[in-house]
Amino acid sequence: GAVVSQHPSRVICKSGTSVKIECRSLDFQATTMFWYRQFPKKSLMLMATSNEGSKATYEQGVEKDKFLINHASLTLSTLTVTSAHPEDSSFYICSARDQGGYNEQFFGPGTRLTVL
Amino acid sequence: AQSVSQHNHHVILSEAASLELGCNYSYGGTVNLFWYVQYPGQHLQLLLKYFSGDPLVKGIKGFEAEFIKSKFSFNLRKPSVQWSDTAEYFCAVNARTGGFKTIFGAGTRLFVKA
Repeated sequence: GAVVSQHPSRVICKSGTSVKIECRSLDFQATTMFWYRQFPKKSLMLMATSNEGSKATYEQGVEKDKFLINHASLTLSTLTVTSAHPEDSSFYICSARDQGGYNEQFFGPGTRLTVL
Repeated sequence: AQSVSQHNHHVILSEAASLELGCNYSYGGTVNLFWYVQYPGQHLQLLLKYFSGDPLVKGIKGFEAEFIKSKFSFNLRKPSVQWSDTAEYFCAVNARTGGFKTIFGAGTRLFVKA
């Protein structure tokens, strides 16, 4: 099956610093990737849709200047949490949709961000 | 806008009991439906999916779900649960007309007593 990886799996940073999370589709090309956020014991909240070669589309209430998304190639999307604060601590999960047009998305293992 | 509603937030069962988790979605068009499981400390795993065809879908680990279009429902079932089924279960939906954005329900936390 299709595999999506995320790097790093865990990151701890100081308040005010920026953190970059990578999402890669390992064995397929993904024109579209999605970024989710999961709070402890909560569901996944869609943050944004990342389209290769164009600007990301953000969901209502998500600050685009805070969460910078770059989808530079068909296999890589990055999420940068800028000037991170403790309230940004969360589990960030990406998913990728196969370019072949299938209706299924494949999810990465997630990145746990802790901001001190 | 799409939305997904899971009726049970917490379910506690004894081993060998039958399981049914409710899921309803709000969307008028053609949808794709999914159930995911998240075991403690692990990432999401796909249990089963429905795109089209037979509305009774069989997934991994003995799970199945039935799509009832008239009720906008996609309930998850398992005839006999095991302790190892303790996890959180998420119903999800996406649609071509929504750009395939997958929207998740709030999740149901299942605890199976040994």
